[in-house]
Amino acid sequence: KQEVTQIPAALSVPEGENLVLNCSFTDSAIYNLQWFRQDPGKGLTSLLLIQSSQREQTSGRLNASLDKSSGRSTLYIAASQPGDSATYLCATGGGADGLTFGKGTHLIIQP
Amino acid sequence: DVKVTQSSRYLVKRTGEKVFLECVQDMDHENMFWYRQDPGLGLRLIYFSYDVKMKEKGDIPEGYSVSREKKERFSLILESASTNQTSMYLCASSYLGLAVYEQYFGPGTRLTVT
Repeated sequence: KQEVTQIPAALSVPEGENLVLNCSFTDSAIYNLQWFRQDPGKGLTSLLLIQSSQREQTSGRLNASLDKSSGRSTLYIAASQPGDSATYLCATGGGADGLTFGKGTHLIIQP
Repeated sequence: DVKVTQSSRYLVKRTGEKVFLECVQDMDHENMFWYRQDPGLGLRLIYFSYDVKMKEKGDIPEGYSVSREKKERFSLILESASTNQTSMYLCASSYLGLAVYEQYFGPGTRLTVT
């Protein structure tokens, strides 16, 4: 059974810093890996999806990488802003089946 | 833009009541999912469906059932609500074509069972 772990569980950094969020998974037979953002009390917003054949995806200040062989993904956030404060979740999928989620990294960007 | 809507943002029900949570997506997605989210446990899959009238159990289906009579609508049913079903419920959908399976989530329903 797939297990997804996110480190750190919480992170607080000053505005303007570049930061890396980590995600690891136990079963490398994944179809894709998806990164989400969740604001308090709200639903999930999809940030980036990396298919198993891809190594990375970029959207604006966000870059996500995937290394299936080592069971790792990272989300890089450049030039962090207070508006980036949220919980970031990674999840792996087996295609048409549901996703398996990590417990998230709670990120606070200090102004 | 994909839009997934859920019938209620907040819901308060009594123990033993039958509860319906409704989810509608407007992008003709084949796959639909129900998750619950609890502090310390994260998101867990309850049920999913890849076609009308089809359903598959997820990781924690006990105490729940689902219904999918139309492609755009997926309902989660709590036959007899219990206090341990107090949680945030999230619905999602994904497109079967292009074989990408990116999931899009609704805003969530926070259910309290008293």
